[in-house]
Amino acid sequence: DARVTQTPRHKVTEMGQEVTMRCQPILGHNTVFWYRQTMMQGLELLAYFRNRAPLDDSGMPKDRFSAEMPDATLATLKIQPSEPRDSAVYFCASGLRAGEQFFGPGTRLTVL
Amino acid sequence: GEDVEQSLFLSVREGDSSVINCTYTDSSSTYLYWYKQEPGAGLQLLTYIFSNMDMKQDQRLTVLLNKKDKHLSLRIADTQTGDSAIYFCAENGGSGNTGKLIFGQGTTLQVKP
Repeated sequence: DARVTQTPRHKVTEMGQEVTMRCQPILGHNTVFWYRQTMMQGLELLAYFRNRAPLDDSGMPKDRFSAEMPDATLATLKIQPSEPRDSAVYFCASGLRAGEQFFGPGTRLTVL
Repeated sequence: GEDVEQSLFLSVREGDSSVINCTYTDSSSTYLYWYKQEPGAGLQLLTYIFSNMDMKQDQRLTVLLNKKDKHLSLRIADTQTGDSAIYFCAENGGSGNTGKLIFGQGTTLQVKP
């Protein structure tokens, strides 16, 4: 049963600390997305990759957020330094063809 | 620009039909999607419709597409308490083959026993 996995599932940290979230896309999927979900803003696309190359990261605050795909089995989203307004659920999704995206369970981030 | 709008909340009684509506702006969308998000989980693809269709039925789900009005709806027949979730409409207009989707803000469906 192929699925997207994300670690950690929950993260509580203090303002100013670095946070790294990891995602393992479904094997063979060549497109990976990072989303952020909050009550106020809903679901926001932060960045996405195709064949490990970044296609669009315009949704991401550039000064503190960075997204990478070191290899085809790992995508990372890093926040440095973290701020309370970054508290949200961060989802990774992967896909093979246009449209059908498979979402991971999310990382719930709380920044105190 | 691209935009997808949904009403935020819908409450129905168990056994009734639910209809969730969505409007979108990008006429170049080739596919339109409905995703379901259960509490504490990620989004899951529920169904989709190709833009040259006006209806698609899948068991209790019926998707209607009015391309002229850019209106999409999801009907759930015989709604059950397990259908309580957030439902997201999405479209892929103008994205070419990148796979990027534009999501609505989600409709919370509450099913009362």
